[in-house]
This record gives sequence, C-alpha cells and structure tokens, in this order.
Amino acid sequence: KAGVTQTPRYLIKTRGQQVTLSCSPISGHRSVSWYQQTPGQGLQFLFEYFSETQRNKGNFPGRFSGRQFSNSRSEMNVSTLELGDSALYLCASSSVSRAGGTTSSTDTQYFGPGTRLTVL
Amino acid sequence: DAKTTQPNSMESNEEEPVHLPCNHSTISGTDYIHWYRQLPSQGPEYVIHGLTSNVNNRMASLAIAEDRKSSTLILHRATLRDAAVYYCILRGSGGSNYKLTFGKGTLLTVNP
Repeated sequence: KAGVTQTPRYLIKTRGQQVTLSCSPISGHRSVSWYQQTPGQGLQFLFEYFSETQRNKGNFPGRFSGRQFSNSRSEMNVSTLELGDSALYLCASSSVSRAGGTTSSTDTQYFGPGTRLTVL
Repeated sequence: DAKTTQPNSMESNEEEPVHLPCNHSTISGTDYIHWYRQLPSQGPEYVIHGLTSNVNNRMASLAIAEDRKSSTLILHRATLRDAAVYYCILRGSGGSNYKLTFGKGTLLTVNP
C-alpha cells in the first residue's frame, strides 16, 4: 500500500501571499489530520477531517483552513502568509476503527513526509 | 490532555539496548500510551502503544509500570537508523482523541 503523500515537498512564498498544500491519504483511510511543526512550538495540531467534514480545529487563526474531498484527499490553505508561518506541515491519515467514524484510542496515525514552507 | 515528561536527549551505542523513559503521573484509567518517533527529515512514525500490559512488536517493547504513572520504550539493539526524536503520547477515549498532542520528545543519538 502506498503511504501518505504530500505535495509539494518544498515551497517558498512571500509575505501576504496564500498557499495551498495537498495530502493524499493511504487508500481506504477516511480521517486526515494536519499538523504544523516549528522549532519553537514543536508539533501542533491544526485540524482533522473525516468524510469531508472538519471535526475539530486546533488553536490557529482563521487564515488556516482546509477541506477534504469525496476521495478523502485533503488540502489546507493558508492566506495572507506571515513570516511565522514558515514551518513543516504534516498530514496524517488514519483508518477509523469504530462505527460512525469515532476515533479509537488505539487508531494509528500514518504521517506523510511533510511540506516545507518558507515565507520570505 | 494528560501530560508526559521525557528527557530532552539520550545517547546510546550501536547494538546496545536503549531504554527511553516517560513519566505520565496524571494518566487516567482509559488513556493509552503511544510512542511515535521522527527520523531526520521525515514525518513521525508509529512505534508502539499499550494500556496496562507490556507490549512487544517488531520495532520495540513497551514496559508499563504497575501504577501506569511511567513507561519505558525499549529498543533491544539500537542501530544508526534508530537515531530520531521519540515522542511519548497519551491518547484518551474522549471525543478529541483523534489528535496527537506531541511534547518535546527525547532526541536519541546512536554512536557507531
């Protein structure tokens, strides 16, 4: 089975621009989560999508948004980029084991290699 | 989310066992203990998880204290490829447990 893929792997943007990152989950996985990793804050949860619905959002401003398509692929968008948005953006997919899509404490998240975003 | 405490860094020699400790004194009865690791320039990868009993898989072993307030990830024979940041994470059964709350983790250096 192919792993989680993220495109592009590297991106350079300037302040004020917007960016869209893409994530293709493992085939059959319907849950996709996004994380931001920076040297100062570490890995932080952005949001999670299941069956095209955002289930929860981390503590990030509204400039960060996402969506999920019917094939479970997901995109995240950052508008009006700031220097502090420079980070590694990681996508993780999970096969939800409970009926109804409720995540179990034992569900494993599989991470992609990330997209390295640099804002100049 | 319940918090975990790990040493910032540890060092090991190749082919020797490594014991990575994690303290989680506020763990609740339904929290699972998960370990992930992140190799350089890669996303995190799942290592192992457990609830009460010790667990083994092809990557590692997880030893959980009887009171569950601490656990230890054991790499039986460290290789250079095991050099990574290791994260100990608690996952509960609440509605938001789909997210992983990462701490700073332990940076493991493996010497040849």
